[in-house]
Amino acid sequence: AQKVTQAQTEISVVEKEDVTLDCVYETRDTTYYLFWYKQPPSGELVFLIRRNSFDEQNEISGRYSWNFQKSTSSFNFTITASQVVDSAVYFCALQDYGGSQGNLIFGKGTKLSVKP
Amino acid sequence: EPEVTQTPSHQVTQMGQEVILRCVPISNHLYFYWYRQILGQKVEFLVSFYNNEISEKSEIFDDQFSVERPDGSNFTLKIRSTKLEDSAMYFCASSEWQRNTEAFFGQGTRLTVV
Repeated sequence: AQKVTQAQTEISVVEKEDVTLDCVYETRDTTYYLFWYKQPPSGELVFLIRRNSFDEQNEISGRYSWNFQKSTSSFNFTITASQVVDSAVYFCALQDYGGSQGNLIFGKGTKLSVKP
Repeated sequence: EPEVTQTPSHQVTQMGQEVILRCVPISNHLYFYWYRQILGQKVEFLVSFYNNEISEKSEIFDDQFSVERPDGSNFTLKIRSTKLEDSAMYFCASSEWQRNTEAFFGQGTRLTVV
């Protein structure tokens, strides 16, 4: 069965601190895709990144970086020098290849609060 | 930048009433989805739609739910007889391809059943 676990329910940091959000996934498929979405207080879901299971290269985009490790089934997200505008709920999601018709399986989300 | 739009942003309805949530997906997208998020909880898949038919649905999507693409642009979710537990944020999403592509989400419709 497919499952996404975000063990950190809430994290609170002070501005300029680095913070890592953990994501662990389970799937029987060898081909799958991983995503991160951001949900700011306004409520919409904003796409951040997509990764396929064959690409374990880490990615950096400005202050954001992602560490994909198949050996530990993890796809962690790090925000460097956090800012107040980073305050949001962050969701990790899994899309498998074999069984699904494209639907995303979300984790429960991690609420990040960045204080000035 | 193209976006998914949903109307209304907030709907209050009485238990037992029918509601229709509307979505306009991104115009060149072929795959459409509805997701639900009960307050403070995770986002859950309801249904996917392609080529004018349902391609997959979750166990949440029971007989009281239906989806339709009544014309070339709208994609609707109908809840026939609302229950208190249907209160949630409903997100519409669309994607260009089925997999390995990001789904773009609308702003959501907050449904409150009283």
